[in-house]
Amino acid sequence: DIQMTQSPSSLSASVGDSVTITCRASQSIDSSLNWYQHKPGTAPRLLIYGASNLQSGVPSKFSGSRSGTDFTLTITSLQPEDFATYYCQQASRTPETFGQGTKVEIK
Amino acid sequence: DVQLVESGGDLVQPGGSLRLSCAASGFMLSSFWMAWVRQAPGKGLEWVANINQDGSDKRYVDSVKGRFTISRDNAKNSLYLQMSSLNVDDAAVYYCAKWGETTVTSRYWYFDLWGHGTLVTVSS
Repeated sequence: DIQMTQSPSSLSASVGDSVTITCRASQSIDSSLNWYQHKPGTAPRLLIYGASNLQSGVPSKFSGSRSGTDFTLTITSLQPEDFATYYCQQASRTPETFGQGTKVEIK
Repeated sequence: DVQLVESGGDLVQPGGSLRLSCAASGFMLSSFWMAWVRQAPGKGLEWVANINQDGSDKRYVDSVKGRFTISRDNAKNSLYLQMSSLNVDDAAVYYCAKWGETTVTSRYWYFDLWGHGTLVTVSS
């Protein structure tokens, strides 16, 4: 199985800050990497697919990039509604594994 | 509205069985691969099972193989997860998710629609 190592597990930031979350795949997954936002009690929301493609309706403050087996999600100008847990997921091979999640909290 | 609504979550004893349902609305379930994903208390998301459009291809995470069965009824626009021999490690919120696919530049797969989840508690 492909392991997805996500870091950090949590971070504190202020409104207006920019943050970066990293995900590393244990083997090549090309660009088959997705990012989701999840708030308690709600349905997870797709942000980025194919490592860097913004899902329709998602604001451009969210962006994704790839360097080999390392992937990053960057969120600029954090707003109160952005405080949530973020997950990466590889969709290259079954089982389609998720990272452990990064909880973004208000400082 | 395009949505997925799960139901069937309950408190069940270890060793027991449960059937989860997911009703789709606003789109034809029959056109898409579907999946179940779970989140145990205090843990992250875990993919559980996939099923293709006509139900002929089913895949499972190793920890549920032989105990869980994913199925669908396209006429009812519904997805199911039959769970048996439940143990405490199966306690979680179970989400129904729709696979989306794009082939514009390259072929990518992703969950583009999720339900709000249904809670399964396993306890004596």
